[in-house]
This record gives sequence, C-alpha cells and structure tokens, in this order.
Amino acid sequence: AQKVTQAQTEISVVEKEDVTLDCVYETRDTTYYLFWYKQPPSGELVFLIRRNSFDEQNEISGRYSWNFQKSTSSFNFTITASQVVDSAVYFCALSEVGGQGAQKLVFGQGTRLTINP
Amino acid sequence: EAGVAQSPRYKIIEKRQSVAFWCNPISGHATLYWYQQILGQGPKLLIQFQNNGVVDDSQLPKDRFSAERLKGVDSTLKIQPAKLEDSAVYLCASSLDPRDHEQYFGPGTRLTVT
Repeated sequence: AQKVTQAQTEISVVEKEDVTLDCVYETRDTTYYLFWYKQPPSGELVFLIRRNSFDEQNEISGRYSWNFQKSTSSFNFTITASQVVDSAVYFCALSEVGGQGAQKLVFGQGTRLTINP
Repeated sequence: EAGVAQSPRYKIIEKRQSVAFWCNPISGHATLYWYQQILGQGPKLLIQFQNNGVVDDSQLPKDRFSAERLKGVDSTLKIQPAKLEDSAVYLCASSLDPRDHEQYFGPGTRLTVT
C-alpha cells in the first residue's frame, strides 16, 4: 500500500535560516504524483507543488525548492532564508489510483515548522 | 473565483449526538472529497464523489457516517451517533474531475465531541 513518511514532527529555526523538510514515500506504481501542501493556522490546505514520477528535475520557486530523488524515494522541500510567515504545518502527499480510476491522495503525518523572529 | 466553502467552522457536541457538516465546492468542479484530519495527523480520505455518485467510500465508517451530494453540487457529511474519537477537523476539497491532481481545500470544520 502507498505510504508517506515525514520523520520530522517539529522543526524550529530562527528567521533567515534555511530549512529542509524530509519526505519519503512507498509505492508500487510506476506512475504517480507527489505533492506538498501548506496548512497555516487558519486550517486551509494550500497547494504548493505537484511532481510526476517521470520528472526528476529539481524545481525552484522563489525561496522554495524541491528535490525529487526516485532512487531513494524521497521528495524533500527546502525553504531558503525562512520568514515568520512560513510558519505552518507542511504535508507531503502521494497520489494513488482509487475507485473508478480516480486519483486519491495519501498524506504524511506533517511537519510543524516554526520560524522564530 | 470563490473557494471551497464549509460550515460551520466549529462545532461542539456530546457523544451520541448527531452532527452535520456542509460543503459547497468551487463552481464547475465535478469531484468532491471529504477528509478527516485528527490532531497531529495528515488528512485521511473518507469519501469521494464524482458529480452525485460515490467513487470511493472505502474508509468511511458506514455504521455512523453518511454523506450525500444529491444535485452534484454541494454536499453534506453526517455523523450519527458521534463518538469521542470523531473529534477532528473535517475538510472538504474539490477538483475539476477525478483525474485532476490539484485539489482545492476548504477551511474545514473543527468538531469536538465531549
């Protein structure tokens, strides 16, 4: 069965430090998608990125970057020069094919990131 | 474009009582999802609708949970009777179609069962 592991339960850093959130996944599918979501205190899950299993190129978006390595089944997320507004719970997720061919998401346990001023 | 709407935002009930949550997805989104997020855990899919039909309800505790999406737009999730372990945030999400990988989430309903 699909599984996503985020070993870091909580991380606390000082503003402007770089921080990396780890994500390791398990799947038997050859085609799959990986995601990162941000959940601020308001509770709403905010989509950050989606990568498919055939695209191992790293991606950078502003201060955010993602490192996808199929060989180690990892999809890590780095925030450069962290800011207080980055404080949130971050979830890594994996899509699997559910009923009637529909995609369904399997989430990790989440990493609570606190950026201290 | 309006996002996914949910109500109420908070609900406190006693065990064995009933409760219902409402969700209105983004206009035009055919697929609707209900997730349960227990404190300290990631969301877990309870049920997925495609228009007004159920696509996946394999993780829905059917002895006490029910959901409907009668007109293929908004949806209601009900718990009857509630147990202490049902305390969680119930998230609704929608997507354009079931193969669409981007799901848009609502703010959730925080349920406390005492």
